[in-house]
Amino acid sequence: GDSVTQTEGPVTVSESESLIINCTYSATSIAYPNLFWYVRYPGEGLQLLLKVITAGQKGSSRGFEATYNKETTSFHLQKASVQESDSAVYYCALGASSGSWQLIFGSGTQLTVMP
Amino acid sequence: EAAVTQSPRSKVAVTGGKVTLSCHQTNNHDYMYWYRQDTGHGLRLIHYSYVADSTEKGDIPDGYKASRPSQENFSLILELASLSQTAVYFCASSESGTKDTQYFGPGTRLLVL
Repeated sequence: GDSVTQTEGPVTVSESESLIINCTYSATSIAYPNLFWYVRYPGEGLQLLLKVITAGQKGSSRGFEATYNKETTSFHLQKASVQESDSAVYYCALGASSGSWQLIFGSGTQLTVMP
Repeated sequence: EAAVTQSPRSKVAVTGGKVTLSCHQTNNHDYMYWYRQDTGHGLRLIHYSYVADSTEKGDIPDGYKASRPSQENFSLILELASLSQTAVYFCASSESGTKDTQYFGPGTRLLVL
């Protein structure tokens, strides 16, 4: 079936360090999946961080980047230098580009950035 | 001015009791969704709706009903709450053309005792 696996948390890094949160997916019933990173800040709902719909393309937002790699079925989230304000829960998700509309989420990765 | 709001933000319910979770969106979106998240797991779809007065089942609809009385409002109803329904519940909305880009509310933490 369709599924998403991501780095288990919690993850703790120091401010200005680099970050990578791994995400791999299985899209057996979705021919051309769209890939997403959502973020949930404390007390708020999930927000779309970035979306990539084409294999080989990179999405970026707020200093975060993720590249849609169809060969390795991966969509890792990276940031060169994190800030304390990046502390949140990050969710990788996949969705269909047509037909089915459902989002399939990973379990989330809790990130804490220490000052 | 949050576009998707949920109420209550947290609730304690008794086993066998009725629970209603409410969601309101000001995005003017046609699609609305209810997800639940259990600790250590991803969000799973319970019910969704693409038009007022109509609801559809998601992956895990058993034990839940949904109601969409207007475009803006979408409720999730637990007629007989059970311990296994303790979770965080998220509501979301999306446009028809980009259904998989969803906008979420802050969540409702439900504890069933």
